[in-house]
Order: sequence, then structure tokens, then C-alpha cells
Amino acid sequence: NAGVTQTPKFQVLKTGQSMTLQCAQDMNHNSMYWYRQDPGMGLRLIYYSASEGTTDKGEVPNGYNVSRLNKREFSLRLESAAPSQTSVYFCATGQGAIQETQYFGPGTRLLVL
Amino acid sequence: DQQVKQNSPSLSVQEGRISILNCDYTNSMFDYFLWYKKYPAEGPTFLISISSIKDKNEDGRFTVFLNKSAKHLSLHIVPSQPGDSAVYFCAARDSGTYKYIFGTGTRLKVLA
Repeated sequence: NAGVTQTPKFQVLKTGQSMTLQCAQDMNHNSMYWYRQDPGMGLRLIYYSASEGTTDKGEVPNGYNVSRLNKREFSLRLESAAPSQTSVYFCATGQGAIQETQYFGPGTRLLVL
Repeated sequence: DQQVKQNSPSLSVQEGRISILNCDYTNSMFDYFLWYKKYPAEGPTFLISISSIKDKNEDGRFTVFLNKSAKHLSLHIVPSQPGDSAVYFCAARDSGTYKYIFGTGTRLKVLA
């Protein structure tokens, strides 16, 4: 079992370029999340999906879109990248239980020049 | 406005001694608390959790204490080992929104 996988591991973009971060899980979990981690800021929730076909905004959704393609996959899209989106992005999954543990992928390090 | 605060960015402890990591929160709607551990270039991994109806949960060398009146939780690691050196995040679940809010992390260094 791979758990939670993220691609790419590292990406450099120029301001204004677009890209999609991919996340896939083989844990059969209902919930999926996208977080960003910045120095001194901890992890902040960008978007989440409680189940296939549903998505909701988190703390910092501006500049991002998401797609819950199926139960396994949850992608994060940057339509027009900005230097402020330079960060490490983590995908996570959860059982969808009331008190759930989240399982994180290894992260995607994004640099926007 | 940070709802979950980890006021110590770093902590150094001698191997074999106790490590105490602290976390404070402001939102009384938080009902479930977790600690995650993160090594460099990896995603956070779950360590231990506690429900708001309890004041203590223990798992091996790790114990989490919750003081609801003070809105404070702490993670105790006894005895500390060099492999415990990592960044520790506390997280809290908002029972109204079901979202998890993370603290900024504390970097623990266990000295051999």
C-alpha cells in the first residue's frame, strides 16, 4: 500500500503559469484535504472534500481550485501562480469519522519566481 | 488570529529526560486534539490524540494532557530518544465546522 502519494515532489513556476498538484490515496478514505505549510505559520487548510463529489473552502482558498475526481484522487490547481504561493503543499486523507486521524502525503515543494 | 498556539518554536532536551511540548487554544468549540510529528522532507505523521471529555491519554512513551479550563494541552515524551528529534504540531478540531486547525509547530532536539 502506497498510502497517500503526491506528484510532483518539486516544481518551479514563473509568475502567471498554471499547474495542477496531484494527490492519490489507496486507503479507501472518504475525506481528503489540501494544506500549505509556510515558515512560522504551521499548516493551513486550503480546500477539503468530505466525500466524492463535494468540496469546500478552508482557511486560505484564494488563488486555488480543486477537483475530487473520484474517491481516490483530489487535485489542486493554481490557475495563475504568484510568488505568495511559494510553499510546501500537503495532501491528507481521513476516514471521515467524527474524530478522525489524518494521513499525510510526502508533500510538494513549490517555488514561484 | 491564531486559534492554536505553540509558543515555543524550539526545545532541546537531553536523551533519557522528559520532553514537554505545550499548546494553547482559544476556541471553546474545539472538541478533539491531536499531535503530529514531522521529519524533514516528509509529511506529518499522527502521534496521539485526546477527546475533550478526557484529561489524559497515554500511549507508550507519549502522554497527552488536556486542561480544558485553561485551554491548554501538553505532550510529554518519557524517556526522550534521539529519534524523537522532529517538529511537533498540535491540531484541534472545531466541532462546529469539523475543520482542523494546526499550531505553528515546535522543533524538538534530543541531545545524545
